[in-house]
Amino acid sequence: DVKVTQSSRYLVKRTGEKVFLECVQDMDHENMFWYRQDPGLGLRLIYFSYDVKMKEKGDIPEGYSVSREKKERFSLILESASTNQTSMYLCASIGGTVYGRGYTFGSGTRLTVV
Amino acid sequence: AQTVTQSQPEMSVQEAETVTLSCTYDTSESDYYLFWYKQPPSRQMILVIRQEAYKQQNATENRFSVNFQKAAKSFSLKISDSQLGDAAMYFCAYRSAGGSNYKLTFGKGTLLTVNP
Repeated sequence: DVKVTQSSRYLVKRTGEKVFLECVQDMDHENMFWYRQDPGLGLRLIYFSYDVKMKEKGDIPEGYSVSREKKERFSLILESASTNQTSMYLCASIGGTVYGRGYTFGSGTRLTVV
Repeated sequence: AQTVTQSQPEMSVQEAETVTLSCTYDTSESDYYLFWYKQPPSRQMILVIRQEAYKQQNATENRFSVNFQKAAKSFSLKISDSQLGDAAMYFCAYRSAGGSNYKLTFGKGTLLTVNP
């Protein structure tokens, strides 16, 4: 089975810090995604990448950037963390011959900015 | 832009009973995929069932089935013989079959409680 691994399950950071959320998948998937999940708002797309060094903005990219230097790794960067970025962050990937099946998700990083 | 609406923020069901979660969506496309994902307290999103829009037959996976009404843009999930392990947040999601970005658009979720 495809595995998508997010490096931290829980993270607490201070306002103004630069924060890196890491995501690694082990099945050579071309497409990777970062979503933010908030109660009552569902999942909202922040950024996605369809290839190494390629990225596109999702619906809520403000305050975030991403990096994809290697195919298996997709990093979400909070340039200067703010309290309104306290949330659950989910990484996902899709590729190969299973596009119709939907994503494989990581188990999420719950980020608290204090 | 596509939108997905789940009108029931919370639902509850007795163990062994049947429950139906509602989902509607808005799109101008004719070919697309629809999904139901389950997110238990462990937070791991699990694909429950998917439906291709070009298929008239409703998808079924064991105790989970969908009622796909393409003209009405409705995609409800029926859970039969509910079990305690079915308690979770359920998300309906849409993806276009065309293009190459594979973005999923999610509803806001329905929290399902299963009572013993």
